[in-house]
Amino acid sequence: GAGVSQSPSNKVTEKGKDVELRCDPISGHTALYWYRQSLGQGLEFLIYFQGNSAPDKSGLPSDRFSAERTGGSVSTLTIQRTQQEDSAVYLCASSLEGGRGLTQYFGPGTRLTVL
Amino acid sequence: GQQVMQIPQYQHVQEGEDFTTYCNSSTTLSNIQWYKQRPGGHPVFLIQLVKSGEVKKQKRLTFQFGEAKKNSSLHITATQTTDVGTYFCAVVPYNNNDMRFGAGTRLTVKP
Repeated sequence: GAGVSQSPSNKVTEKGKDVELRCDPISGHTALYWYRQSLGQGLEFLIYFQGNSAPDKSGLPSDRFSAERTGGSVSTLTIQRTQQEDSAVYLCASSLEGGRGLTQYFGPGTRLTVL
Repeated sequence: GQQVMQIPQYQHVQEGEDFTTYCNSSTTLSNIQWYKQRPGGHPVFLIQLVKSGEVKKQKRLTFQFGEAKKNSSLHITATQTTDVGTYFCAVVPYNNNDMRFGAGTRLTVKP
């Protein structure tokens, strides 16, 4: 079946511009996560959505970062006024309902480059 | 807060040698998961361990959960070039469902 999809796969932008990254989770998965991974580094948790509950935004690095999840499915991560340090791969993952301890299925990621 | 430590951070081996990575938690866990990320790829789920002292095998990979459910290891026997990548553990504390990833161990294999 279809896995997690993300778009675009690559995004190059100029410093100061806004960007939107999209994630389509696996159908039926109610939990959705965003992570950031800098080159050669680990996974930095950004935000977590579970069903209709208020999202856990504790990992967002600044108020320039925000995320929405419409209709309990597709999610958009928005970075305003991008900075060079925002350059990284942004990974989305989804899992079945029931808590954050369940197996996460990752998308291919969006590689963001801020010039 | 909860601490997750993975060691080593990097490991370079000759093809055919064994490899082990360790994951240690400061708190007791309900379960631990292992993921593999190939270079340029995304993390892919390998296995989940739930029971104290549990040992699971996948071909040349052996996963172990400590008796105290605070640590785990992943052992690869006779590494191959296809084993190259970063291995992450992800821990779930027993008292909440807040899964956190370790920093990963990057394995390189020289043919």
